[in-house]
Order: sequence, then C-alpha cells, then structure tokens
Amino acid sequence: GAGVSQSPSNKVTEKGKDVELRCDPISGHTALYWYRQRLGQGLEFLIYFQGNSAPDKSGLPSDRFSAERTGESVSTLTIQRTQQEDSAVYLCASSFTGSGANVLTFGAGSRLTVL
Amino acid sequence: GENVEQHPSTLSVQEGDSAVIKCTYSDSASNYFPWYKQELGKRPQLIIDIRSNVGEKKDQRIAVTLNKTAKHFSLHITETQPEDSAVYFCAASTPSNTGKLIFGQGTTLQVKP
Repeated sequence: GAGVSQSPSNKVTEKGKDVELRCDPISGHTALYWYRQRLGQGLEFLIYFQGNSAPDKSGLPSDRFSAERTGESVSTLTIQRTQQEDSAVYLCASSFTGSGANVLTFGAGSRLTVL
Repeated sequence: GENVEQHPSTLSVQEGDSAVIKCTYSDSASNYFPWYKQELGKRPQLIIDIRSNVGEKKDQRIAVTLNKTAKHFSLHITETQPEDSAVYFCAASTPSNTGKLIFGQGTTLQVKP
C-alpha cells in the first residue's frame, strides 16, 4: 500500500484480556518500529525490527508485551493480561535503511482502551 | 542507551513571532536528529532533519541548529502562523545497525492569532 496501515484503529477491551495489534509497513521498508503514546504524552519507544537482525526489545515495559514480524512485512504487537495503564495509542512506523534511512512514516495508530 | 530531553513542554506565541524548541541528547555517537510535527488527532510527520556533519539547516520558515560539543539541537520557527500549532517532537539516533530513533517528550506549540 501507499502508507503504513494499522489495525484495529480502535480497540476496547476488559482488564485481563489479551489484545493483538497489527501493522502493515510500506513495501520495501526494512525497518519497523512500535511506539506507545499515552494521552498528551510523548512517543515511548517499544521495539524495533531491522531486516533479519534480532529485534531491539529494550523498550518493552514488561513481559506482558511482545512483538513479532514476518520477514520484512507485517508485524503484530501482543499485550497479554491487559491493564488499565496499557491504555494508549500504539503507533507503528517504518523506514528504509541506508542513507536518509531514518525518515519514519507513521501509521494512524491503534487506540487501545482497557476498562 | 540514548536519552532525549526536550524543552519547553508548552509554548505559546503570538502570530508572527518566532518559536524556539530545544533538545539535548546523551549519546555522543548520535548522528541523526529529526523533528516531527503532530497535529491534533493525526500521526507524526517529519518536518526537517539534520545530520551531525552540518551545524544548521533551513527550510523556508523552519530551521534546525546542532551543537555536537554541547549535545543539543534546536528547532526555530519564524513568522509563526496558526497552522503551526501542533505538538513538535525531536529525536536522535545512533549510527549503529539499529538506527533506533528515540524521541523527546514533545512541545505543544500554540500560535495565537
């Protein structure tokens, strides 16, 4: 597609349930990022995938959070046993590698509300 | 790891005035410094970036300056307009194979007509 696609756009869940958020990056972009943005807050780094390298998981806040990426395509962010503090917009972004490679194109985000 | 601090958190200016947002970074190896603008309810978008081999870059009414020695960089917006109202994020990344971008906390800019 022409841009980064994320689904669902909105998700309301009950505390303790698991959720999966999906990101479809721009074709040809080898780098993929997940960020969390709480209401009125900044962009909190969660995880980074770059080609076939091991992902950088240093931003994941707890072991309830995990993410996978299939090759250089779709990524899924999974949050297990959701808590109210997980409520946020989860933004996915992708970029090329190489010169000027760090220009990120963001998706519209998945807004997660945990009741 | 890299840490990026951004100030101020909020900034209000009159239309036509200039606005300056400042960021500091911790990793001296960082070499790429973009600025993103996020309008209300929208996704962040790149507005300007600078690499560590230059000290200043301009694009119409916006400019970014970089001081590698002091490890800080700034965004300057001149002749501000109401449509400049948004949240602005600075970021930094290192030249390692991760190229991971770490963002500052954001600055909410309000331009009053």
